[in-house]
Amino acid sequence: AQKVTQAQTEISVVEKEDVTLDCVYETRDTTYYLFWYKQPPSGELVFLIRRNSFDEQNEISGRYSWNFQKSTSSFNFTITASQVVDSAVYFCALSRDDKIIFGKGTRLHILP
Amino acid sequence: SAVISQKPSRDICQRGTSLTIQCQVDSQVTMMFWYRQQPGQSLTLIATANQGSEATYESGFVIDKFPISRPNLTFSTLTVSNMSPEDSSIYLCSVPTPQGSWYGYTFGSGTRLTVV
Repeated sequence: AQKVTQAQTEISVVEKEDVTLDCVYETRDTTYYLFWYKQPPSGELVFLIRRNSFDEQNEISGRYSWNFQKSTSSFNFTITASQVVDSAVYFCALSRDDKIIFGKGTRLHILP
Repeated sequence: SAVISQKPSRDICQRGTSLTIQCQVDSQVTMMFWYRQQPGQSLTLIATANQGSEATYESGFVIDKFPISRPNLTFSTLTVSNMSPEDSSIYLCSVPTPQGSWYGYTFGSGTRLTVV
């Protein structure tokens, strides 16, 4: 069975602090894809990143970075120098064969 | 990537009534997905809508409660039937969209449904 666990339900940090959102996944597949989505208060889902199971190279995009560790089945997301606009719910997700399974999400509050 | 127009954006409905949600995609797609997001919860896949065949429902969701139409490759509707307050959720459609050499998923803006 496939499963995505985001153990952190809610996190609050002060602006400019760094914050890491954890994601652990379970799958028996050898080929799969991992995603992070952002859901701001307006409700839409914003795609952040996709990673396939064969590419363990970490990625940095501006203040965002992702650490994929296949050995621990983790795909963690770090925001550096957080800003108030980063306040949102962040979902980690796993897909195979066109179906995407979401974790429960982490609600991130960035305090001014 | 694809652009999805989802309507209505929100609605308040009386219990026992039905609401039909529409998703229009600006390109042809084979699969469309319908999700439900209950208050404070994650997204749960309701069904996969394929053009020309019956929708495939996930465990816990049935066609009588959530009938789906897929008349062509750019359009789909989800109906929430005989609504109760427990159906109050955000409903989203999604399509896989090419992102260069791979596929991502684009989501509609969601329909925020409140049943009173």
